[in-house]
Amino acid sequence: SQQGEEDPQALSIQEGENATMNCSYKTSINNLQWYRQNSGRGLVHLILIRSNEREKHSGRLRVTLDTSKKSSSLLITASRAADTASYFCATDLTGGGNKLTFGTGTQLKVEL
Amino acid sequence: NAGVTQTPKFQVLKTGQSMTLQCAQDMNHEYMSWYRQDPGMGLRLIHYSVGAGITDQGEVPNGYNVSRSTTEDFPLRLLLAAPSQTSVYFCASSTGYNSPLHFGNGTRLTVT
Repeated sequence: SQQGEEDPQALSIQEGENATMNCSYKTSINNLQWYRQNSGRGLVHLILIRSNEREKHSGRLRVTLDTSKKSSSLLITASRAADTASYFCATDLTGGGNKLTFGTGTQLKVEL
Repeated sequence: NAGVTQTPKFQVLKTGQSMTLQCAQDMNHEYMSWYRQDPGMGLRLIHYSVGAGITDQGEVPNGYNVSRSTTEDFPLRLLLAAPSQTSVYFCASSTGYNSPLHFGNGTRLTVT
């Protein structure tokens, strides 16, 4: 069963623009994580936000979490061609760190 | 520091054959897990381990076996390969509670 669902499924923007991806989930969580996957590669961790946090920043990345709406968003500011990748949210129900449930991902294309 | 290493990168099997996907990590992580990634499905958890000698089933365990005799290694065995097991397999490790996953680069398996 899919706990997280990303929206949109695909996003195409110009370099320098901001990209926003959303994730909705169904049950209460301990934390929510965002990962990036370049074509043909493994996933790379971007940000982990705990259920008692509302916003976190890392460089050009900003993640928000609204537990009342069971949703999260990932904002990439001033996007670059190198940001072209698939982005996944993953929920951790217990905090145990070993049983993440992933969404289906957003494919981001940043064009020059 | 190699991180998480998966071998082989590519494999083609005939239906009914068996094989072992190898996964090794050099970060002394207690938690290790196996996911499969299929188009449009996101990543789904197959099996996981919270330490040497301890394994448990994930969301889609049927057709797969695992063992964890050392902290470093977590092999995934396909006993009787079926076309439905055609997928990309990812191994991941973490330190545990509220910690991100570190992924290998995957094994692309085709079963004909």
